[in-house]
Amino acid sequence: VQLVESGGGLVQTGGSLRLSCTASGFMFSSYAMHWVRQAPGKGLEWISHVSSSGSTIYYADSVKGRFTISRDNVRNLVSLQMNSLRGDDTAVYYCARNGVKATFDHWGQGVMVTVSS
Amino acid sequence: VVLTQSPGTLALSPGERGTLSCRASQSISGSYLAWYQQRPGQAPRLLMSDESSRATGTADRFSGSGSGTVFTLTIDRLEPEDFAVYYCHYQDTFGQGTRLE
Repeated sequence: VQLVESGGGLVQTGGSLRLSCTASGFMFSSYAMHWVRQAPGKGLEWISHVSSSGSTIYYADSVKGRFTISRDNVRNLVSLQMNSLRGDDTAVYYCARNGVKATFDHWGQGVMVTVSS
Repeated sequence: VVLTQSPGTLALSPGERGTLSCRASQSISGSYLAWYQQRPGQAPRLLMSDESSRATGTADRFSGSGSGTVFTLTIDRLEPEDFAVYYCHYQDTFGQGTRLE
């Protein structure tokens, strides 16, 4: 199982960024996927979930209305479109696979997003 | 549900036993309580699921227990690679972490 995130970087407050996570080594279309973030020196925060088919999506309140998760089961890709970015969105963003009993059983290496004015 | 981990930092030596606590703000199903380990500069790694089931690659010196609102991760005979941050997790909520140093 391998999850590789990309698309991070420095963006101004109010700007947009699109993160991608490319999956390999497993039947991607059979697994729900998540995005989890970690602000510098802080703990883990779950932010979004997409079901295996893409039909069911959830967001944390902190990103609802600003972030959009999507997936492409042909390209084995899960994406996070982030709009109206704020300073408190600065974090390492991880994609993670949904495991048994709603765990995150595999994680990518993470990608840094820095929002600066 | 709010998960509160204690202590915030636990200072121990290799060979000792570590006991980490995770307290839920309301009774939860232990079947959905998981623990993760995060070493410096690395992504988190699933350690335990279903409260006490070790994930693939988790050494048997790690054990989980608990029910209701109080859950415990115990690490016997600490090895140097065990010194890390540990998070408990339930559904969409993580505890704030315990740093084992």
